[in-house]
Amino acid sequence: DGGITQSPKYLFRKEGQNVTLSCEQNLNHDAMYWYRQDPGQGLRLIYYSQIVNDFQKGDIAEGYSVSREKKESFPLTVTSAQKNPTAFYLCASNGPPGDANYGYTFGSGTRLTVV
Amino acid sequence: AQKVTQAQTEISVVEKEDVTLDCVYETRDTTYYLFWYKQPPSGELVFLIRRNSFDEQNEISGRYSWNFQKSTSSFNFTITASQVVDSAVYFCALSEERGTGKLIFGQGTTLQVKP
Repeated sequence: DGGITQSPKYLFRKEGQNVTLSCEQNLNHDAMYWYRQDPGQGLRLIYYSQIVNDFQKGDIAEGYSVSREKKESFPLTVTSAQKNPTAFYLCASNGPPGDANYGYTFGSGTRLTVV
Repeated sequence: AQKVTQAQTEISVVEKEDVTLDCVYETRDTTYYLFWYKQPPSGELVFLIRRNSFDEQNEISGRYSWNFQKSTSSFNFTITASQVVDSAVYFCALSEERGTGKLIFGQGTTLQVKP
């Protein structure tokens, strides 16, 4: 079945460490997105990529980095510069707006905690 | 600028009651998409419905129905005869056809259905 796989489900980070969250999709979607969710809040966009080897900052990109070397993969690195990284991270992908099945598919998320 | 407002932070009902979740949006674009997602305690976002700006027909899917009114920029979601399994956080979201295709989320409404 097509979908998005995020790993790990839970991740613990020590102060000063960089950690990388994995996101893989087999939907053949060009566009991929990373969102952050804090308790009791909506989702905020971190980074997005509309095509391989290209990505753009979202609303809260500071302290994060991404790469898009393959269409299927869009990993997110939470760097030590991100001062408050504890949150729930969701990856999504989407086809083109004109597609009959246009609509975002989300992964199951990674819960990151700073220890 | 685009914006989605879900004014109801939390709603609590007793099973079998009907409940309506409100969503008001702002956009300057004439072509856009509106979505509703359900987020159960597991965290994954479950797609419920997509509606494009040219289709104002109301939609019914089982116990779920949606009322889209461009005149008031609203896209409200009603659950009829609510069940305990409907307990979740519900998000309304907006995407414009042109540009990045990113989703703008409301803050979410937490629905608790008590037995």
